[in-house]
Amino acid sequence: GESVGLHLPTLSVQEGDNSIINCAYSNSASDYFIWYKQESGKGPQFIIDIRSNMDKRQGQRVTVLLNKTVKHLSLQIAATQPGDSAVYFCAERPPSGGYNKLIFGAGTRLAVHP
Amino acid sequence: GAGVSQSPSNKVTEKGKDVELRCDPISGHTALYWYRQSLGQGLEFLIYFQGNSAPDKSGLPSDRFSAERTGGSVSTLTIQRTQQEDSAVYLCASSLYQGLVETQYFGPGTRLLVL
Repeated sequence: GESVGLHLPTLSVQEGDNSIINCAYSNSASDYFIWYKQESGKGPQFIIDIRSNMDKRQGQRVTVLLNKTVKHLSLQIAATQPGDSAVYFCAERPPSGGYNKLIFGAGTRLAVHP
Repeated sequence: GAGVSQSPSNKVTEKGKDVELRCDPISGHTALYWYRQSLGQGLEFLIYFQGNSAPDKSGLPSDRFSAERTGGSVSTLTIQRTQQEDSAVYLCASSLYQGLVETQYFGPGTRLLVL
């Protein structure tokens, strides 16, 4: 089947380990951030979001950390599973005319090995 | 309920031909987005529709690209005189515009290959 992002940076982890995927965003005034997961042959799927007035948000097995000082966003996945293998994109929402125009990063491929 | 659907799922065309890509958003979603995803790249914004407002076409790469949204629901992205560099996955997303935060729900995409 077709793969998304054959030349993306890849993070390889062992099943059961924790994964940390990093993202540097571009606009210091961005007020909203999202992580998406994209499996091969599918569209991106929402994972978790965070607003700029927060520095941490937790979901089920996932945590997003926001460091506005260095414009850095990270996604932590606990107890990584084979089903977590995918390309992960961060997205930021810079100041705009009022709608949700997202700027996406290039993505990171997560490969989970048994 | 049904998610965002796109058709066709795959399209192979010859250089110079026109193509139409269709997006059916989630029922009730007022905002609709088109993105392009080239191999090894992130998502490139193309165009945005919100209700009855004029669309934001600022991301369209050339005048060969156009999009319509009829009746505030289905959208069609048209690429005229296709070029090989148009080969990519074209993704559609919709959202329920709530002003502050909203989640864009993506369709599976249309994989376009221009020979």
